[in-house]
Amino acid sequence: AQSVTQLDSHVSVSEGTPVLLRCNYSSSYSPSLFWYVQHPNKGLQLLLKYTSAATLVKGINGFEAEFKKSETSFHLTKPSAHMSDAAEYFCVVSPNQAGTALIFGKGTTLSVSS
Amino acid sequence: NAGVTQTPKFRVLKTGQSMTLLCAQDMNHEYMYWYRQDPGMGLRLIHYSVGEGTTAKGEVPDGYNVSRLKKQNFLLGLESAAPSQTSVYFCASSYFYTDTQYFGPGTRLTVL
Repeated sequence: AQSVTQLDSHVSVSEGTPVLLRCNYSSSYSPSLFWYVQHPNKGLQLLLKYTSAATLVKGINGFEAEFKKSETSFHLTKPSAHMSDAAEYFCVVSPNQAGTALIFGKGTTLSVSS
Repeated sequence: NAGVTQTPKFRVLKTGQSMTLLCAQDMNHEYMYWYRQDPGMGLRLIHYSVGEGTTAKGEVPDGYNVSRLKKQNFLLGLESAAPSQTSVYFCASSYFYTDTQYFGPGTRLTVL
């Protein structure tokens, strides 16, 4: 069975400090992994995607994530937080099987203070 | 290129009323999805479609029906709304099941 766990429901950082949002996954197959961001009252936007190419994936707005198969993790990082990064972030796994659907984590709310 | 659009953006229903949510995409995607988002639950898949004329159940299909008569449109129906269906509904589409999903802006539904 496939599953995804976001280890923190809420992360608070100061502007200019690093961001780390943690995600662990479980998959019987070689998965695709995604991070999506949702700003208040908006739809979801893709930040980045891993599809078994390079294990370090760079996304939009300075975010990146590293796929670590041995740790079954796909943590999202950014070197320096900006106020506009405050949003909810979802780690998502695709089992890569026809007829299956994306599996969403429950989300991590990122707060950024000045 | 509008991407994925949803109508309406907001709706308030009384228990037992019916309504249809419309999702439209202009990217020629084969796959379309309906999700609901509830606080602390992430997104849960209601129904999805792998092509025109085909639909399938997702994780939480009870109380909902869908239709995909045209490739670009995916309709979500509530035949008899219940307060438990108060939620934000998102539509998404993709070329293939492994591809990036593109999301609409959401419909906020309240059932009294």
